[in-house]
Amino acid sequence: GQQLNQSPQSMFIQEGEDVSMNCTSSSIFNTWLWYKQEPGEGPVLLIALYKAGELTSNGRLTAQFGITRKDSFLNISASIPSDVGIYFCAGPANYGGATNKLIFGTGTLLAVQP
Amino acid sequence: NAGVTQTPKFQVLKTGQSMTLQCAQDMNHNSMYWYRQDPGMGLRLIYYSASEGTTDKGEVPNGYNVSRLNKREFSLRLESAAPSQTSVYFCASSEVAGVRKYFGPGTRLTVT
Repeated sequence: GQQLNQSPQSMFIQEGEDVSMNCTSSSIFNTWLWYKQEPGEGPVLLIALYKAGELTSNGRLTAQFGITRKDSFLNISASIPSDVGIYFCAGPANYGGATNKLIFGTGTLLAVQP
Repeated sequence: NAGVTQTPKFQVLKTGQSMTLQCAQDMNHNSMYWYRQDPGMGLRLIYYSASEGTTDKGEVPNGYNVSRLNKREFSLRLESAAPSQTSVYFCASSEVAGVRKYFGPGTRLTVT
């Protein structure tokens, strides 16, 4: 079945550093989503990507839809302590289908030291 | 406007006991979902309801049942809890086939 692999699994960085993480799949996705989950909370949608090659920003966050449609990248610039959390990529379970069924990646845990 | 609410926040069950997790949303969304989150596994879809009156299985439906009580409420029932069902359960809602899914705060369930 479809799977999403995220790397790295965890990152421990200093405040002010830039962060890069990625998500890869063996199958094509037509939509890529990036969520953030803070401790004790549910995931919150950060960025949605709809076209291959698309680059979208949300404040200090920038995400890209890979041109092969099999990967996506998330960058965080000038990290701050409140960036701490788990970042998940997600995509619809069936290519071309409705996004009722999302597959989630295994997550990247980000820790930021002040 | 509370968004998506879940009750209870925490629950401990003994093997074989039953319970129902409650979820409600006040955003007038048509679609609702139940996910479970386990360490290193991300979130996996248990059941979903595309619209009031319909329910469908997700990736890991075994051991669970759901009820879409009305447009606002979607409950998840464990008839005979097993230790393998120890997890954090999240309810979510969206517009029909909507990309943006709004998640509740989760229910932490431990089955001993």
